[in-house]
Amino acid sequence: EVQLVESGGGLVQPGGSLRLACAASGFTFSSYEMNWVRQPPGKGLQWVSYISTGGTSIYYADSVKGRFIISRDNAKNLLYLQINSLRDEDTAVYYCAREPGGYVDLWGQGILVTVSS
Amino acid sequence: QSALTQPRSVSGSPTQSVTISCTGTNSETGGYNFVSWYQHHPGKAPQLLIYDASKRPLGVPDRFSGSKSGNTASLTISGLQAEDEADYYCCSYTGSYSWVFGGGTKLTVL
Repeated sequence: EVQLVESGGGLVQPGGSLRLACAASGFTFSSYEMNWVRQPPGKGLQWVSYISTGGTSIYYADSVKGRFIISRDNAKNLLYLQINSLRDEDTAVYYCAREPGGYVDLWGQGILVTVSS
Repeated sequence: QSALTQPRSVSGSPTQSVTISCTGTNSETGGYNFVSWYQHHPGKAPQLLIYDASKRPLGVPDRFSGSKSGNTASLTISGLQAEDEADYYCCSYTGSYSWVFGGGTKLTVL
């Protein structure tokens, strides 16, 4: 089955860190660009970060630049998001998203990250 | 970066049609045909409906159609069905590898 499954979310204190993972299966992971997209509670979707197929091109939304790090392991079919210096406004459901070029054609179910003391 | 502008809610009766608009700037929806639309049932993974402003992926019913004129993209859903009740989001490429989503539109099927 073609799917993306996120893990690693949870409750973390402000200033803390988490590493999210996304396991891809059912397709050739290394052939696709990947993104992270988040949805804060009661709000719309927000693009967070992009990584190219080989990991050489990486981009971030201004709101997370310098705090979040996206990476991938094509041998293990895994996408990661290291999230540091967490703030209240980072509380959201984080989605792993597959991009064939210009749009997302496959989303994970999402993983909740809650930042609270 | 502000979200693209979508109506907060739209509604329609079964079999009717509704159109959801999505307006951005010249460097967003007006500058690229990389506009996509997603259906999101809360608690589930979003689903792609339209890409490149008007293209429909395999498996998406032809009741869903997209268009773009100037800075405004539109999603039209014809022959409304109860299962169409969901949140709908547009998304546009903005250049310098950055994406922006709309604020989302809640569709109610009366």
